[in-house]
Parts: sequence; C-alpha cells; structure tokens
Amino acid sequence: AQTVTQSQPEMSVQEAETVTLSCTYDTSENNYYLFWYKQPPSRQMILVIRQEAYKQQNATENRFSVNFQKAAKSFSLKISDSQLGDTAMYFCAFQGGNNAGNMLTFGGGTRLMVKP
Amino acid sequence: SQTIHQWPATLVQPVGSPLSLECTVEGTSNPNLYWYRQAAGRGLQLLFYSVGIGQISSEVPQNLSASRPQDRQFILSSKKLLLSDSGFYLCACDQGNEKLFFGSGTQLSVL
Repeated sequence: AQTVTQSQPEMSVQEAETVTLSCTYDTSENNYYLFWYKQPPSRQMILVIRQEAYKQQNATENRFSVNFQKAAKSFSLKISDSQLGDTAMYFCAFQGGNNAGNMLTFGGGTRLMVKP
Repeated sequence: SQTIHQWPATLVQPVGSPLSLECTVEGTSNPNLYWYRQAAGRGLQLLFYSVGIGQISSEVPQNLSASRPQDRQFILSSKKLLLSDSGFYLCACDQGNEKLFFGSGTQLSVL
C-alpha cells in the first residue's frame, strides 16, 4: 500500500518570501500521479498542482512549483512570493496509475501561516 | 465544469441516531464519486468510491454505508452513529482525468 508523509506539521513564512513544503511517499508502482491540495479556513479542497511521474519536468503553476525527485520519492512544493491568502493547510496526495477510480492517498498535511 | 453540492454544512447528532448525508453533482455525467473523511487536524481518508449507479466500494470497515441511487447522487448513511464518526466529510468527483473536485464538506459532530 502507498503511504504519503508530510514531516512538517506547521510552517510559517513572511509575506513575499519563499517557502518549501516537504512530502515523501512510498510506492512500488512506476506510473502514478502526485498532487498538492490547499485547504483554506473555508475547508474547501483546492487543487494547487499536479505532477505525472513519467514526466521529468517539474510542474509549475504561477507562484507554485514542485521539486519532483522520483528516485528519492520526494515531491516538495515551493511557494514563491508568499501571499496572505496562501495561509492554509496543504496536503500532498498520491494516486496510483492502476487505480480503478481515482483514489487518492493523502499525507497528514502541513499548516502554513503567511505572516504580514 | 462540474459543481458538487453537499449538505448540510454542519450537523450535530446524538450517539445512536441515524445519518444521511447527500451529495449531488452537476455539469457532468457518469462521474466517479467519492466520500472522504477528515479527522480534526488530519489528512483525508477515503471511505467509499463509486464508478457507477449501484456500484459501491468500501475502503475501510466502519459504521457507515454509501449508496448511489442515481448517476449524480451519492449518499453516506449510518443506522447508529458512534462518537468516532465525528469528522469533516467531503464528497468528491472526477471524470477519469485524474482531476478530483471536492464539495464544500459537512462537519459532523456526534455527541
């Protein structure tokens, strides 16, 4: 079974600075997908970024980028130019390529606080 | 794009009472549907998923059940709630394109 680990329960960053959230996972599969979801105080789950394991190029979405290290099974999220609205819980998630349905395995989350 | 409706937003129920949470989806047909639970300060745990009407798969043994009476309707139920059923319940859907969309969730408190 796959596991996803987020080793940083809480982090803080000053507005306009850069922060990196860590995520490691364990799987025996070769083809899979990785995600970062944001959960603001409203508790709505919002997809931030998605990475296909077969792609070597790191995914980027505006201020959000990932550092995908397949051999190390590491998938960190970098937030550049942090904004107050980035304050939220961030969840790393894994989806196997052979799933019937798109079942995600989530990490325990990292609470990010952006300080003014 | 699809829209997921979940209600109620909050629910307080006594131990031993029944439960019915409903989720409906608009803007798509034949979606995969999911129920997740989030304990306080924790990640999400998949409870049930459905790839079609009447097709339900359970990921963890528990006091809950799910049904899909219509293509875009997914219901989470319990005959008798336990204290441990408290949590934040999220309905989600996708169309097989690896992009999962979530509803706004229901906060269930069992007292």
